[in-house]
Order: sequence, then structure tokens, then C-alpha cells
Amino acid sequence: DTEVTQTPKHLVMGMTNKKSLKCEQHMGHRAMYWYKQKAKKPPELMFVYSYEKLSINESVPSRFSPECPNSSLLNLHLHALQPEDSALYLCASSQVAQSYEQYFGPGTRLTVT
Amino acid sequence: GESVGLHLPTLSVQEGDNSIINCAYSNSASDYFIWYKQESGKGPQFIIDIRSNMDKRQGQRVTVLLNKTVKHLSLQIAATQPGDSAVYFCAENGGAANFGNEKLTFGTGTRLTIIP
Repeated sequence: DTEVTQTPKHLVMGMTNKKSLKCEQHMGHRAMYWYKQKAKKPPELMFVYSYEKLSINESVPSRFSPECPNSSLLNLHLHALQPEDSALYLCASSQVAQSYEQYFGPGTRLTVT
Repeated sequence: GESVGLHLPTLSVQEGDNSIINCAYSNSASDYFIWYKQESGKGPQFIIDIRSNMDKRQGQRVTVLLNKTVKHLSLQIAATQPGDSAVYFCAENGGAANFGNEKLTFGTGTRLTIIP
């Protein structure tokens, strides 16, 4: 299984809502990533988890809260978002200290109203 | 700061022709480079990668060339097909110091359109 899955595919939320994005992989990868991608732009790294521990936080606002409950799952909890947070949120995974190749999921298209 | 950039934001190629997508990088410490293809509504998909101890690597219909002297990377796609229409991103690793964090920095992307 070389697939990274993400749910939901689309999400519309108000600025006062709390929602979560989910990501799952069963490739045995111990590094997992959250990226944000605006239209016509490259993916921007948000967070990196290595062996279920947060290793990189790219100065992301606290309204985004990542969680890695186990080696296969990665969540992104959303609270009090702004309309400018509307974007495609991509999850990726990779091996640790063996390869830089990251496997991406299809993304969650988030719209904040 | 260091950045990865692309020379052309858009490229149109006749079906069946070869295409070349270019990428300039500025972090001389980078020793791993990767090309991704992103189709509309999908996540980036791995195409091919290359390490700095190589200057050329070939895959199926794709070739990546690395010129470390001028810090330039290119992706050649042979005999283009309609399914090759997508945005192509190059990415670099920023050097061995990032190993263990596996951080990639993406370039701005080139939209390739194949004309039937």
C-alpha cells in the first residue's frame, strides 16, 4: 500500500467552528507532514512529525494544532480560522533518515467563510 | 534567504514533442533534488529524483539533468502526451543537515499544457 489518504476531501467551516483534518498512511513511514497550498503556489511546509514527535513547526499560528496519535495517523485541528486560511491542505509521509522522497495525499480543500 | 525558482511559469508543447522544464536553485548545500507533478485537484506525485553525485538520471520518458556549477536543474519529458498536462515542481533538500527532518523546499512551479 503506497497511498496516503486524507479526509474529508472538502470542508467548509465558519470562523467560529472547530474541525479536524485527518491523514493516514500504512507504508511504515515514521515522518509525516502538513503542507498548506494556495492556488497557483507551491506547497508550504507547516509541520513535520518524526517518530510521532513534532520536529518542525514553521511558525504556524496556534489556530492550527497538529496531532500524531500513532505512527499511521496525523491530524490537524482547526479552530477560529480566518478566510485567508482557505487553501488545499496536503499531508505527506516519508521514511526517516533514508530518503527525502515524500508521498502526498490528495489533500483537503478547506474553505473558511 | 535561499530559494528554489523556475525560469518559466507556463509552457505549452505540441503533443508528441519533447518538453523541458527548468529550475534554478540557490542553496549550494542542497544535495538531493526531486521533481513532482501535480494535476488539478490532486496532491503532488513523485516523478524522478537525483542526488548531487550524479548529473543525469533517466526514468520512463523523463530525464533529470543537474548542473551543479550553475545550480540548475531540468526535467525533460519525451513524446509528451495529454496526460502530461499538469504543474511541475522542483524541490531541494537544503543539504545533509536536514537529514532526519527530511525537509523539502519547493520551487514556484511551471504549468505545462500539452496541445493536441
